[in-house]
Amino acid sequence: EIVMTQSPATLSESPGERATLSCRASQSVSSNLAWYQQKPGQAPRLLIYGASTRATGIPPRFSGSGSGTEFTLTISSLQSEDFAVYYCQQYNNWPPWTFGQGTKVEIK
Amino acid sequence: QVQLVESGGGLVKPGGSLRLSCAASGFTFSDSYMSWIRQAPGKGLQWVSYISRSGSAIYYADSVKGRFTISRDNAKNSLYLQMNSLRPEDTAVYSCARVSFDYYMDVWGKGTTVTVSS
Repeated sequence: EIVMTQSPATLSESPGERATLSCRASQSVSSNLAWYQQKPGQAPRLLIYGASTRATGIPPRFSGSGSGTEFTLTISSLQSEDFAVYYCQQYNNWPPWTFGQGTKVEIK
Repeated sequence: QVQLVESGGGLVKPGGSLRLSCAASGFTFSDSYMSWIRQAPGKGLQWVSYISRSGSAIYYADSVKGRFTISRDNAKNSLYLQMNSLRPEDTAVYSCARVSFDYYMDVWGKGTTVTVSS
């Protein structure tokens, strides 16, 4: 099973600032990496797939990069609606599909 | 619009059973791979089970293998999860998700809450 590790657990930033979230895989997942956003009481929303491709309707301030074992999600300028929990997920070797433990982006 | 709506959650005693349903709309359900994912209180996301379009390929997480059964009815645009021998550690919000042709989860439902407690 591939273990996904996200850092930091919590990121405190001010609106308008840049946020950088990291995700590491225990072995290579190529570019088969997705990022999801989850707000309290809501379903997760797909942000990024293929490590760097934005899903339909996702604003360009969200960008993904990386391949192999190291990945990054960047939010270029935090908006109020971006404060949420973000999860990475690998879909290179399945089953099982595995998720990181999440990074909470909170208002500083 | 594309939508997944789960139902069937509730409070059940350890050792009990529940059947969850997921109603799909806004897309061709019979052409879609599907999965169940759960989230325990205050925890992250855990994949539970997967089913292919025809049901010919089915997978389970080790933690639920032998206790849970995934199924689908393409005529009813519905996905199901039969959960038997429930344990307190199965307490979670259970969500269904559409699995894209590249095998990431591209559409999620809001989930239904399952609580296993005496």
